[in-house]
Amino acid sequence: QQPVQSPQAVILREGEDAVINCSSSKALYSVHWYRQKHGEAPVFLMILLKGGEQKGHEKISASFNEKKQQSSLYLTASQLSYSGTYFCGTEITDKLIFGTGTRLQVFP
Amino acid sequence: ETGVTQTPRHLVMGMTNKKSLKCEQHLGHNAMYWYKQSAKKPLELMFVYNFKEQTENNSVPSRFSPECPNSSHLFLHLHTLQPEDSALYLCASSQRTSTDTQYFGPGTRLTVL
Repeated sequence: QQPVQSPQAVILREGEDAVINCSSSKALYSVHWYRQKHGEAPVFLMILLKGGEQKGHEKISASFNEKKQQSSLYLTASQLSYSGTYFCGTEITDKLIFGTGTRLQVFP
Repeated sequence: ETGVTQTPRHLVMGMTNKKSLKCEQHLGHNAMYWYKQSAKKPLELMFVYNFKEQTENNSVPSRFSPECPNSSHLFLHLHTLQPEDSALYLCASSQRTSTDTQYFGPGTRLTVL
């Protein structure tokens, strides 16, 4: 039931782009994305609903493909502040199940 | 205070101790959650409360006992824990359902000796 995220870790230079994927074996109603910086609480980024809607948050956007049961998070022109662990949360029968997490490190 | 607060932030306890974690939300939300986060593991949902009623117990051992006296407060009572229970315990709240945006507290770092 737990969604699988890939890659597990990403290392970037400032200004580079990255894509984080989240896949589920179950039908999805929505996908949530959170970011957790080291030593801090997870912080909500965005929700994507059924319909393949693409959303954006500054230079971070995401897509949701309900047929493929997956979502992708796109980080464009990464900044140092993007460093942290990204979690997707998938809605399955009125419950949010979080993925395994992707650790992103951005270096100057 | 705003948002979701948790106390204590750090806790060290022996296996025979009894302690409690406290969570308070100042957002007017009706749903509250306990999560466990271990090293290199995803967020594991433990309990869900909706309007003070427990709606989810994710097969959590009975040595963890939640309590929700009102919509703003959530406790996690701990007794006879095991070393493998050492983890970061996160509290979260949301407006209504489990699929509304969740706001997390800073967590309690628990170490069981």
